Amino acid sequence: EVQLVEVGGGLVQPGGSLRLSCAASGFIFSNYWMSWVRQAPGKGLEWVANIKQDGSEKYYVDSVKGRFTISRDNAKNSLYLQMNSLRAEDTAIYYCARGNCNTTNCFRGKYYYHYMDVWGKGTTVTVSS
Amino acid sequence: AIRITQSPSSLSASTGDRVTITCRASQNISSYLAWYQQQPGKAPKLLIHTTSTLQSGVPSRFSGAGSGTDFTLTINCLQSEDFATYYCQQFYTYPLTFGGGTSVEIK
Repeated sequence: EVQLVEVGGGLVQPGGSLRLSCAASGFIFSNYWMSWVRQAPGKGLEWVANIKQDGSEKYYVDSVKGRFTISRDNAKNSLYLQMNSLRAEDTAIYYCARGNCNTTNCFRGKYYYHYMDVWGKGTTVTVSS
Repeated sequence: AIRITQSPSSLSASTGDRVTITCRASQNISSYLAWYQQQPGKAPKLLIHTTSTLQSGVPSRFSGAGSGTDFTLTINCLQSEDFATYYCQQFYTYPLTFGGGTSVEIK
């Protein structure tokens, strides 16, 4: 069974740090781009970051650039999100998601673009004093 | 960033109804649009990618159409399990962005 399981959420004070992990199983992890997507309480979905299969390319939404770092360990089938300088507005459920693109021209220019075809159940991050 | 305006933000419908949800992108995204369903308290689930390609296992009562800036998700013969929130997402450029969501509620 294809599965993603996130851990590492919790309550943290503003300015603090947290590291999320996502364990993948049931598919060849090293073959896929991976993303983090978040959802603030009662709000919609926001893509946060993604990472190429070998970790050589990473992209972020502007609101987290310089504060969050996405990484992966293919030997451990794991994805990570290091979150520093946390703010109240980072409070959300954080989902780990597999990137996929089964159509033509997924590579355009020098970039690869994708939708998310497998999602974890999420882990909750609360930033509050 | 490409802004996606989703409408309506909510709608009420009855089992058996046909419903249509619209997404409008702030610029041309060709056919690079996906649709997701999210049940309360659950993770999103991919329904459709590349405007109209049904993900494996998704019932055929779901369909997608459009191109350029205007897209639709149609649910024919609404079932009880279809009452949920639906999101569209563009994968034309970074940052990847979602519409604001449409809540489909029971009338």
